[in-house]
Amino acid sequence: LAKTTQPISMDSYEGQEVNITCSHNNIATNDYITWYQQFPSQGPRFIIQGYKTKVTNEVASLFIPADRKSSTLSLPRVSLSDTAVYYCLVGDLTGTASKLTFGTGTRLQVTL
Amino acid sequence: DAGVIQSPRHEVTEMGQEVTLRCKPISGHDYLFWYRQTMMRGLELLIYFNNNVPIDDSGMPEDRFSAKMPNASFSTLKIQPSEPRDSAVYFCASSLDRRGTDTQYFGPGTRLTVL
Repeated sequence: LAKTTQPISMDSYEGQEVNITCSHNNIATNDYITWYQQFPSQGPRFIIQGYKTKVTNEVASLFIPADRKSSTLSLPRVSLSDTAVYYCLVGDLTGTASKLTFGTGTRLQVTL
Repeated sequence: DAGVIQSPRHEVTEMGQEVTLRCKPISGHDYLFWYRQTMMRGLELLIYFNNNVPIDDSGMPEDRFSAKMPNASFSTLKIQPSEPRDSAVYFCASSLDRRGTDTQYFGPGTRLTVL
């Protein structure tokens, strides 16, 4: 079961790039890495997903090194509305021992 | 589509009472997940279904918890009897297919308080 570790909190100023790293040393071969964003009183919302190397979409980039034991979510030019908790999710549902494991979450605070 | 629908949004009950949480997944999604979120333990996967069949319930904390999915558009999570330590936000999520690692769409959650 892939256990994940993230920083508890991070602070940033508006307009800066923010990088949040998640460690998942026990990641399995079939596991994908997914990042979610959660605002207060709401359910998590999908941001980005990857398996290896780099993935980019309209809101973020995800960097995964060759050993896949960690991943970094990169948010370019954050704004106040990016203040939220960010979770990495590692796992896969194939096989009988499949599981999904959420990280503890990183609380990002963006200020002016 | 209205997204994942959960009811009730808030539930306050007394210890020992039965609690039933309800979820309507997005139409066409093959996977349905139940999560629990607390400050102490974060987001925990309780159980998930594929095509209405429970696949993995190893996250269910104990026998007081049960979940059903009688059809593709409805699922329940029941706690009987409820205890104060069950107080949490319970989320339901659904995803389209491909082993459930596709994007999960979460509902707004049910905030349960057991007195």
